[in-house]
Amino acid sequence: GENVEQHPSTLSVQEGDSAVIKCTYSDSASNYFPWYKQELGKGPQLIIDIRSNVGEKKDQRIAVTLNKTAKHFSLHITETQPEDSAVYFCAATNSYIPTFGRGTSLIVHP
Amino acid sequence: DSGVTQTPKHLITATGQRVTLRCSPRSGDLSVYWYQQSLDQGLQFLIQYYNGEERAKGNILERFSAQQFPDLHSELNLSSLELGDSALYFCASSDLKQGDEQFFGPGTRLTVL
Repeated sequence: GENVEQHPSTLSVQEGDSAVIKCTYSDSASNYFPWYKQELGKGPQLIIDIRSNVGEKKDQRIAVTLNKTAKHFSLHITETQPEDSAVYFCAATNSYIPTFGRGTSLIVHP
Repeated sequence: DSGVTQTPKHLITATGQRVTLRCSPRSGDLSVYWYQQSLDQGLQFLIQYYNGEERAKGNILERFSAQQFPDLHSELNLSSLELGDSALYFCASSDLKQGDEQFFGPGTRLTVL
């Protein structure tokens, strides 16, 4: 089955810095890669996604890149703000079923 | 607000008991997914239903079962509960005609004592 590795497990940055979270996957059949943000006491919320036929996607301060050959994808957050503090999950999806990474706790210090 | 609702928000029960968790998908979404989130296992896919039919199964224990009703709401039944079943249980829904995007509910926190 699919295996998704996510790093780092914890990321501490100063407000205004950039943050990068990286994931690798094992199943070349995975074709959809969403990123979720989970705040304390809430369910995961989709923040950006990318499909296997696209190399990069950007939405305001958030961008995702995908390298299919190397089987890795990354989340980039620029100009971080304290409200970006949360746990971020990557996922690799095959036939609508996602396999999630273990999550990255992002802490943005004011 | 994702539009997915789950009840109850919290559930405390004893080992050996049976509980039912309920999920109402977003309006128009035919597909419902159940996930378990625990500290040691992370976020794990349990089962998917599409328009009342089971479509995919993940790491779901035999003590667990689910169904999706004609009005598209879904229930996850957990029986013979063990301490290790304590976790957050999330439901998500999607409109497969629009793609893979899933919308998660707020979750049910299950505590087994």
